[in-house]
Amino acid sequence: EAGVVQSPRYKIIEKKQPVAFWCNPISGHNTLYWYLQNLGQGPELLIRYENEEAVDDSQLPKDRFSAERLKGVDSTLKIQPAELGDSAVYLCASSAGSIYNEQFFGPGTRLTVL
Amino acid sequence: KQEVTQIPAALSVPEGENLVLNCSFTDSAIYNLQWFRQDPGKGLTSLLLIQSSQREQTSGRLNASLDKSSGRSTLYIAASQPGDSATYLCAVRNGANSKLTFGKGITLSVRP
Repeated sequence: EAGVVQSPRYKIIEKKQPVAFWCNPISGHNTLYWYLQNLGQGPELLIRYENEEAVDDSQLPKDRFSAERLKGVDSTLKIQPAELGDSAVYLCASSAGSIYNEQFFGPGTRLTVL
Repeated sequence: KQEVTQIPAALSVPEGENLVLNCSFTDSAIYNLQWFRQDPGKGLTSLLLIQSSQREQTSGRLNASLDKSSGRSTLYIAASQPGDSATYLCAVRNGANSKLTFGKGITLSVRP
């Protein structure tokens, strides 16, 4: 069974440029999460989707960040414009929505903003 | 607000040693707790998930325990190997549909 797929794995951009990350969850997983992980820190939730609905986006900086999950399968996270402080690893995870709700993570996208 | 603490931040042990990694959380009303492993430059791999009604879970050389009343969990690694070198993160969920709150992780180095 394929795991959570993310692309690109690495991205280097200059500040003020836009950037987008893509995630394809495990087949059949209706819940999708985007996390941000700074160096030496644990991941922090940005947004959670139940199917195509964003049910928790309280931690998403909406002035520059946006996300979508059309058709309730894969998802895109966008930053426009990027700032130096956005350099981090962006992780996508999914879960089956069962009582256990075990989350499975993708390899992440490492963003460097110059 | 739930806070998760993992101390120490780093640990170095010789190969073959049995070791315990600690995790503490401030709000004991958790739904479940999950231990992850993260290798450098990689995503997170789920190791064990303990439901709030459970006391422990085992997988191979790994055993995770949960004491909700004291707000603690431990990850026991038996007969450590160099391949166990990684960062181990603990995360708790406070409700069935709530987010995971992570600790900062413990970076383990197992010396040959």
